[in-house]
Amino acid sequence: GQQLNQSPQSMFIQEGEDVSMNCTSSSIFNTWLWYKQDPGEGPVLLIALYKAGELTSNGRLTAQFGITRKDSFLNISASIPSDVGIYFCAGRRAGSEKLVFGKGTKLTVNP
Amino acid sequence: GAVVSQHPSWVICKSGTSVKIECRSLDFQATTMFWYRQFPKQSLMLMATSNEGSKATYEQGVEKDKFLINHASLTLSTLTVTSAHPEDSSFYICSARPGESDEQYFGPGTRLTVT
Repeated sequence: GQQLNQSPQSMFIQEGEDVSMNCTSSSIFNTWLWYKQDPGEGPVLLIALYKAGELTSNGRLTAQFGITRKDSFLNISASIPSDVGIYFCAGRRAGSEKLVFGKGTKLTVNP
Repeated sequence: GAVVSQHPSWVICKSGTSVKIECRSLDFQATTMFWYRQFPKQSLMLMATSNEGSKATYEQGVEKDKFLINHASLTLSTLTVTSAHPEDSSFYICSARPGESDEQYFGPGTRLTVT
């Protein structure tokens, strides 16, 4: 099925640096969700966004629902080693129960 | 809150046998549960959407006779992989949606290896 365009595909950063990743789509979404997945585990919900322009924080994480409703970004400030993992964006279209996922951003944090 | 469990966490079975995977929402009722499949280094691919008390809706290309889904209660859905073959080896993950929420909460996944 259709997937969201998520970038970058991977990132290698130093501990303490800030990180930014984003997802774009050619179609409108009513909900954007950001998940983190550790190896061998299921994804864990980080942030949920429901309104265009909405900016939501969860600790060092901040995510925004794009004003056009076709994109979203996730920022991580002051990264730490436990931030390592794969981050997925997911979107839900109006009238659909299903989530469409991005391909993921693999984050590596060097101590 | 919003905890989803899966059992077993991993299973090895012989080709031709069937395997049942359970997905439970532990602290909420889930009218809708979803089953995903994930290959190494890839994203999650939706297999089917399961609503309590009704037949599951399968995604295009997913064999409903091979991947049997039962959503018998508001807290339990099961996926049975029938007549498993090595190509069915994968990481199977369920998710559950609380009520009419837009959010989905995922289980920890089940690693299936078919020999």
